Amino acid sequence: EAGVTQFPSHSVIEKGQTVTLRCDPISGHDNLYWYRRVMGKEIKFLLHFVKESKQDESGMPNNRFLAERTGGTYSTLKVQPAELEDSGVYFCASSPVRVFYTEAFFGQGTRLTVV
Amino acid sequence: AQTVTQSQPEMSVQEAETVTLSCTYDTSESDYYLFWYKQPPSRQMILVIRQEAYKQQNATENRFSVNFQKAAKSFSLKISDSQLGDAAMYFCAYRRAGANSKLTFGKGITLSVRP
Repeated sequence: EAGVTQFPSHSVIEKGQTVTLRCDPISGHDNLYWYRRVMGKEIKFLLHFVKESKQDESGMPNNRFLAERTGGTYSTLKVQPAELEDSGVYFCASSPVRVFYTEAFFGQGTRLTVV
Repeated sequence: AQTVTQSQPEMSVQEAETVTLSCTYDTSESDYYLFWYKQPPSRQMILVIRQEAYKQQNATENRFSVNFQKAAKSFSLKISDSQLGDAAMYFCAYRRAGANSKLTFGKGITLSVRP
């Protein structure tokens, strides 16, 4: 079974440009999370989808970030326009919806560099 | 708000020796989970070990074990018989009880293993 897949693995863009990151969760996983790690800092939560609905978007830094999950399958995270401080590694994780504990599986991350 | 602190940015261990990675956390919740995740270079983050707060017994997974001190809010990871493949970034993480809640991470620690 395929794991969580993220595209691209690396992206270098200029300040002011737009970038779209994609996450393909494990098939059947209705929970999908986005996290971000800025160099030298903690991995921070961005938002959480349950199927196509945004369950929690309290971690989204500002309105330059737009996340979507059409049809409850893959998700995209668009940054428009990108700023220097958006550089970091963006992680996606997915898990099945359960009543009790369930493990979250992570993708390899997308390293975004804004120059 | 919950916080997770990993105060050591780097550690090094000789192959076959034992190393302990430290983590402290802060929460007002009584029921939660604690995790150690491992991220090898350019690879996806994987779960190493999990501890439920209601369990007094420390979790163990083969060469990996934890020292969970609930009153002190301390959660250290011990790696015994270190192997070259253990070299990675290790993140301590917290999640409140409830199957679908988000993770709160520490800054991570880079572990190197000397042959």
